[in-house]
Amino acid sequence: NAGVTQTPKFQVLKTGQSMTLQCAQDMNHEYMSWYRQDPGMGLRLIHYSVGAGITDQGEVPNGYNVSRSTTEDFPLRLLSAAPSQTSVYFCASSLVLAGYNEQFFGPGTRLTVL
Amino acid sequence: DAKTTQPTSMDCAEGRAANLPCNHSTISGNEYVYWYRQIHSQGPQYIIHGLKNNETNEMASLIITEDRKSSTLILPHATLRDTAVYYCIVRPVGDDKIIFGKGTRLHILP
Repeated sequence: NAGVTQTPKFQVLKTGQSMTLQCAQDMNHEYMSWYRQDPGMGLRLIHYSVGAGITDQGEVPNGYNVSRSTTEDFPLRLLSAAPSQTSVYFCASSLVLAGYNEQFFGPGTRLTVL
Repeated sequence: DAKTTQPTSMDCAEGRAANLPCNHSTISGNEYVYWYRQIHSQGPQYIIHGLKNNETNEMASLIITEDRKSSTLILPHATLRDTAVYYCIVRPVGDDKIIFGKGTRLHILP
């Protein structure tokens, strides 16, 4: 199993550009989520999904769109990048189990918006 | 979600036990205590979780007070590789979201 994979590892954008951060998992996990982590800060939840066709907003959803057409993939779209979106983005996945679910995180995408 | 309070940073000598406290005084009966850690620049890693009993696995032990208002994560023999930010998280049963706080930055000293 590759686990949770994220592409690209690094990206530089200009203000106003759009792009999609890719996240995939091969563990047949129903739950997937996206976080951002600004320098020296904790992780903040952007969007999450409990299964194909279902998405919901987290703590900081503005400026980001997501969709979940398959169990394996959960892309994060930046429609018009802003310097405030410079951050490290982490994707995570887990099974949906009552009581306990260990979340597995990807290696992150480091995004700089100029 | 119940809030957690952790010290900003801690030091521990290599080879000693690292004891990381967490206060969750408003925890509800259906909320679990989870611990994750994040080694520099990497994605967070699950360590352990518990409801009301003490728990142990190959990485750590989790001690939860009887009133469940606080807990302690114990790394029994800390190594330099345990240097990381440790997050204590309280999460209700059936809620898949993890909301991270600021965590404790643990420095293992040689």
